[in-house]
Amino acid sequence: DAKTTQPNSMESNEEEPVHLPCNHSTISGTDYIHWYRQLPSQGPEYVIHGLTSNVNNRMASLAIAEDRKSSTLILHRATLRDAAVYYCILSTFYDKVIFGPGTSLSVIP
Amino acid sequence: GAVVSQHPSRVICKSGTSVKIECRSLDFQATTMFWYRQFPKKSLMLMATSNEGSKATYEQGVEKDKFLINHASLTLSTLTVTSAHPEDSSFYICSARDEGSGELFFGEGSRLTVL
Repeated sequence: DAKTTQPNSMESNEEEPVHLPCNHSTISGTDYIHWYRQLPSQGPEYVIHGLTSNVNNRMASLAIAEDRKSSTLILHRATLRDAAVYYCILSTFYDKVIFGPGTSLSVIP
Repeated sequence: GAVVSQHPSRVICKSGTSVKIECRSLDFQATTMFWYRQFPKKSLMLMATSNEGSKATYEQGVEKDKFLINHASLTLSTLTVTSAHPEDSSFYICSARDEGSGELFFGEGSRLTVL
């Protein structure tokens, strides 16, 4: 399975932008980059996904490096409700989805 | 957005009993569903891939006779923990793939406590 590397934890001040990095140097041409987040005692929540181009939605933006070996999830204005574990995952749409350790994001009021 | 519902959200049972957890895709059809378990402060661990109309595919180290998976329709998969023991206590999470978009959606999770 393709692997991703994320920092174990990050902190952000409330209402400031957050950039969550993910390295995926072994990504294949058919792998999509998915981001999910998980609040305590809840199932993961879809955040965003992309293939090659940068993507924006109401929750976040996804910036993908030109060589696709890394990506960054951008939360434009962190709120306390954004405190969660964020998972960066590589998968085609027909593969099983394997979770790594993720990044635990703390938001400081 | 798409919704996946799990039931029950919490269950407490005695050692030796069996517990069934349901996973339903409420507004889309899902040929494929996945079952995960999660221990405190750990990431999700994939247990098995549930395929509608065929046998589930289990990950290495997961006992298929202990964790029975049935995917009888395009909107329902069930996980039965047979002869549960305290070490089976965990947070179990299902996910379903929307065949139209290909995206995965997750249930709210089911916390199993075996006494």
